[in-house]
Amino acid sequence: GENVEQHPSTLSVQEGDSAVIKCTYSDSASNYFPWYKQELGKGPQLIIDIRSNVGEKKDQRIAVTLNKTAKHFSLHITETQPEDSAVYFCAAPPGGSYIPTFGRGTSLIVHP
Amino acid sequence: NAGVMQNPRHLVRRRGQEARLRCSPMKGHSHVYWYRQLPEEGLKFMVYLQKENIIDESGMPKERFSAEFPKEGPSILRIQQVVRGDSAAYFCASSPGSSNYEQYFGPGTRLTVT
Repeated sequence: GENVEQHPSTLSVQEGDSAVIKCTYSDSASNYFPWYKQELGKGPQLIIDIRSNVGEKKDQRIAVTLNKTAKHFSLHITETQPEDSAVYFCAAPPGGSYIPTFGRGTSLIVHP
Repeated sequence: NAGVMQNPRHLVRRRGQEARLRCSPMKGHSHVYWYRQLPEEGLKFMVYLQKENIIDESGMPKERFSAEFPKEGPSILRIQQVVRGDSAAYFCASSPGSSNYEQYFGPGTRLTVT
C-alpha cells in the first residue's frame, strides 16, 4: 500500500509570508497528488492537484511542485492571509487505485 | 450546482444503538467514498461504492459496519451497536466516474457515542 508522510504538523507564519508544506510518498507508481484544505467544522476542499506528467502547477497564490525521483511533493502558499488558516492535507492514491492515502495534516496559522 | 450533501451534521447515540449516516453525491456523480476522521488525524478510507455496487470495502470493519448506495436515494453508512470508539467525523466524497481521481467532499457527520 501507499505510505504518505506530511511535515510539518504545525506551521505558524505572519501575514504576507510564504508557507511550504511537504509530503513524501512510497509507491513509485502513484501519479496523482491532490491537496485539500479543511476549515474548522467543514469537509476537506480540493484546492489544487498535480499529475505525474508535470513538475509544477500554479493557481494564483497556490502552487504545487512534484519530484517523482525523490517521491515528494510540496504545497506553496505565497502572500499568506488570515483566511488561509486551516488544516491542509496531502494525499496520494497508490498506483492502479483511485483511493487516496492521506497525510496526517498540517495546521497552518497565519497571524495578522 | 449543489455540492455533496450529508445528514445529519451531528448525531448523538448511546452505546448499543444504531447510527445511520446519509450522503447525497454531487449531481452527475455516480461514485461515493466514505472516510472516517479522528481528532487531529487524517482521513481513513472506509468504503467505495457505485450505484448498487460495493467496489472496495477494505477499510471498513467487518463487523457492525455496512454501506449501501441504492439505485434511488442517498448512500447510507450504517453502524450497528455503536461503541465509544466509533465517535468520529464521517465524511463522504463523490466523483463523476471511475476514471476521475478528483473527489469532492461533503461537510461531514460528527458522531458522538455516549
